[in-house]
Amino acid sequence: SAVISQKPSRDICQRGTSLTIQCQVDSQVTMMFWYRQQPGQSLTLIATANQGSEATYESGFVIDKFPISRPNLTFSTLTVSNMSPEDSSIYLCSVEDLKGANYGYTFGSGTRLTVV
Amino acid sequence: QKEVEQNSGPLSVPEGAIASLNCTYSDRGSQSFFWYRQYSGKSPELIMSIYSNGDKEDGRFTAQLNKASQYVSLLIRDSQPSDSATYLCAVKGGKLIFGTGTRLQVFP
Repeated sequence: SAVISQKPSRDICQRGTSLTIQCQVDSQVTMMFWYRQQPGQSLTLIATANQGSEATYESGFVIDKFPISRPNLTFSTLTVSNMSPEDSSIYLCSVEDLKGANYGYTFGSGTRLTVV
Repeated sequence: QKEVEQNSGPLSVPEGAIASLNCTYSDRGSQSFFWYRQYSGKSPELIMSIYSNGDKEDGRFTAQLNKASQYVSLLIRDSQPSDSATYLCAVKGGKLIFGTGTRLQVFP
């Protein structure tokens, strides 16, 4: 299956600052997905990132708050802007994994963000 | 109505027993169904995917799908303490939607 390298693994940030999270995939993928998992909650899709076009954001998420870059088919970044304590969460990138017998979605190791 | 529903648990089973995890979904157009395992502090890892009505077996795991009832389940045979984790059901229609997960505890 695809291997995703996500960094940073965790960070503690000051209110009002921004953090950029990076995901590198070991193969070319058309779409990359960004999720948020708040404490004790399930995964919520933030946006879908396609190479060469603007990301598609889900209801409740906007580009000004979560700008996304997708410069090539193996890499994407998510920025959490002007952070507040409510942004404290785990952020995960994901790709559709077509290798192997068990088709599904593979996740990066996650970024645990704490905003103070 | 939530789009993907799971009992949050915890579901406690003794070692060696069968654990049964259930999930219902609202979108009748959903085509792909997934079970993920998530250990505390880790990212979700795919256990199984299923697309057709019926059962699909992989080792100690069996996924069951009933589209008419909009129901998907995961059976874990010979449960081990290492199976203790949160199990997430995910359903793909237009996009992939996750349930809130069921916490499974397997005690020795």
